[in-house]
Amino acid sequence: DTAVSQTPKYLVTQMGNDKSIKCEQNLGHDTMYWYKQDSKKFLKIMFSYNNKELIINETVPNRFSPKSPDKAHLNLHINSLELGDSAVYFCASSQDRPGSHEQFFGPGTRLTVL
Amino acid sequence: DAKTTQPPSMDCAEGRAANLPCNHSTISGNEYVYWYRQIHSQGPQYIIHGLKNNETNEMASLIITEDRKSSTLILPHATLRDTAVYYCIVDSGGSNYKLTFGKGTLLTVNP
Repeated sequence: DTAVSQTPKYLVTQMGNDKSIKCEQNLGHDTMYWYKQDSKKFLKIMFSYNNKELIINETVPNRFSPKSPDKAHLNLHINSLELGDSAVYFCASSQDRPGSHEQFFGPGTRLTVL
Repeated sequence: DAKTTQPPSMDCAEGRAANLPCNHSTISGNEYVYWYRQIHSQGPQYIIHGLKNNETNEMASLIITEDRKSSTLILPHATLRDTAVYYCIVDSGGSNYKLTFGKGTLLTVNP
């Protein structure tokens, strides 16, 4: 059973378009995250949600809007895509309890903006 | 900015122990040392974490110096599938913690 899943795996689109990436976790975790890995392979956090509430927003442009319909899902919507948005986006989740330290990552969504 | 320093790359022979060093001289008393790895084109994978004491699990061992300013991840019997980028991360943990990834160490296990 897949713990953290993302769709789509690959996304190729034109500049200016709007696109969404979906993430689902079946681990019963309270916290979910979005990370971005650019072409230089640096992995940086973008957002985190705890029980559907935004906790971390790392100065990401307003074109990026995360949405958490429930605890198990955290989707990422991107408006007016730019060339610089090309990257691999990883979703992750973790349990919100003392002593819990592991984040579980999804397989990633490779976004290419042409 | 990452709070850790790691060598950019290391090689290891298959079947041998791989010892990956990490310096974290500015670590605070409540901060943990985490190790994750990323195999090519996959999402990062948690390996192990520790606070003060040495830790061991089915994947690896973590040795933390007494002053906590450095640590070593040990893969006791490296296999080709252990070829990956290994990240050493320092964080306080807790419910709202975020992983700040540095450049990591590319470990190449050779046959």
